[in-house]
Amino acid sequence: AQSVTQLDSQVPVFEEAPVELRCNYSSSVSVYLFWYVQYPNQGLQLLLKYLSGSTLVESINGFEAEFNKSQTSFHLRKPSVHISDTAEYFCAVSDLGDNQGGKLIFGQGTELSVKP
Amino acid sequence: DGGITQSPKYLFRKEGQNVTLSCEQNLNHDAMYWYRQDPGQGLRLIYYSQIVNDFQKGDIAEGYSVSREKKESFPLTVTSAQKNPTAFYLCASSIGPGGPEAFFGQGTRLTVV
Repeated sequence: AQSVTQLDSQVPVFEEAPVELRCNYSSSVSVYLFWYVQYPNQGLQLLLKYLSGSTLVESINGFEAEFNKSQTSFHLRKPSVHISDTAEYFCAVSDLGDNQGGKLIFGQGTELSVKP
Repeated sequence: DGGITQSPKYLFRKEGQNVTLSCEQNLNHDAMYWYRQDPGQGLRLIYYSQIVNDFQKGDIAEGYSVSREKKESFPLTVTSAQKNPTAFYLCASSIGPGGPEAFFGQGTRLTVV
């Protein structure tokens, strides 16, 4: 079965520093890949997605992620973080393989804490 | 505005009681999902439905039940058989199975007292 591993549960970083949140998934068959962000006591909001085409995808607020099929990874990066980026970030995979029904599977989450 | 509405936002339940969490969407999406969120464990899939009158168990379905009688609605019942029901519950929907992306409600926080 498909699984998603976020390698860091907590990432503290200073404001304006770069950050990378790591995500690996278990299977290289046809998948969609997503990053979601969650603020306290709220639902999840889509940050960016990879469906096909260019392996580098970007969000409107400066985040980017690169799909690496050979390493089954989809790491999230931002060159300069802001205090407002403090939140929990979830990597997710939608497995389009047979018998999976397109289930959306999430990683354990990474808590990004941006300090002044 | 289109979206997903979960109600109530906060819910308290006595031990031994069943409770139903509501999830309604007006996005005309075929697929709907229920997730449970606990600190440090991410989101775990409880049940999902790809189409009306059909649903499948997720990874942690024991102690839960669902129905999908209408495209817009996917209620989740937490039964007394669920041993540790206190959690944050999130409902989501997508155009079809697998997405391409899921839209989430604001969640229901269930506390057993």
